[in-house]
Amino acid sequence: LAKTTQPISMDSYEGQEVNITCSHNNIATNDYITWYQQFPSQGPRFIIQGYKTKVTNEVASLFIPADRKSSTLSLPRVSLSDTAVYYCLVGYTGFQKLVFGTGTRLLVSP
Amino acid sequence: SAVISQKPSRDICQRGTSLTIQCQVDSQVTMMFWYRQQPGQSLTLIATANQGSEATYESGFVIDKFPISRPNLTFSTLTVSNMSPEDSSIYLCSVNREQGMEQYFGPGTRLTVT
Repeated sequence: LAKTTQPISMDSYEGQEVNITCSHNNIATNDYITWYQQFPSQGPRFIIQGYKTKVTNEVASLFIPADRKSSTLSLPRVSLSDTAVYYCLVGYTGFQKLVFGTGTRLLVSP
Repeated sequence: SAVISQKPSRDICQRGTSLTIQCQVDSQVTMMFWYRQQPGQSLTLIATANQGSEATYESGFVIDKFPISRPNLTFSTLTVSNMSPEDSSIYLCSVNREQGMEQYFGPGTRLTVT
């Protein structure tokens, strides 16, 4: 399982775009990159998953450079409700055991 | 998606006692997972539970302390045995319904041991 490194915390304001970067230098060929969001007193919630280049869904975008040694979760126009902890996970499809890193605590202020 | 419920949502227990946490899924799943999350910390995988076989425990977790049952494809229990204050934590179950890394988590059980 590839080890990931994320910033411990980030601050932002409502309406801004937030980019959270994750480093995963030893990512393997079959590994996918997945992001989860966790609110207090709740289990983590899947946000987005990608393998290379760019993936976009209704809540976020995921940018993965060609070498795949890092990835960036982009949250457009954050709101107060986006205040949460965000986890980056790396592993290959079908490998269902998740190893969570320390995560990034995002605080969105008015 | 999958809807997962856990019982109890929280409990306060005395040291030396045991608590069994239930996890119910709204559909059949092959694998279920149990995690522990201590206050302000990340999640740590305790064990993986397949229906009809012994659970597989991660390093640092043993069956005598955290026995797990998986009687069918929609249900599992985790018991925290002979509890001590260090077992105070949130315990979460999760499932993976499709191949891939999208997992669905229950709301967690907040355990306080006094």
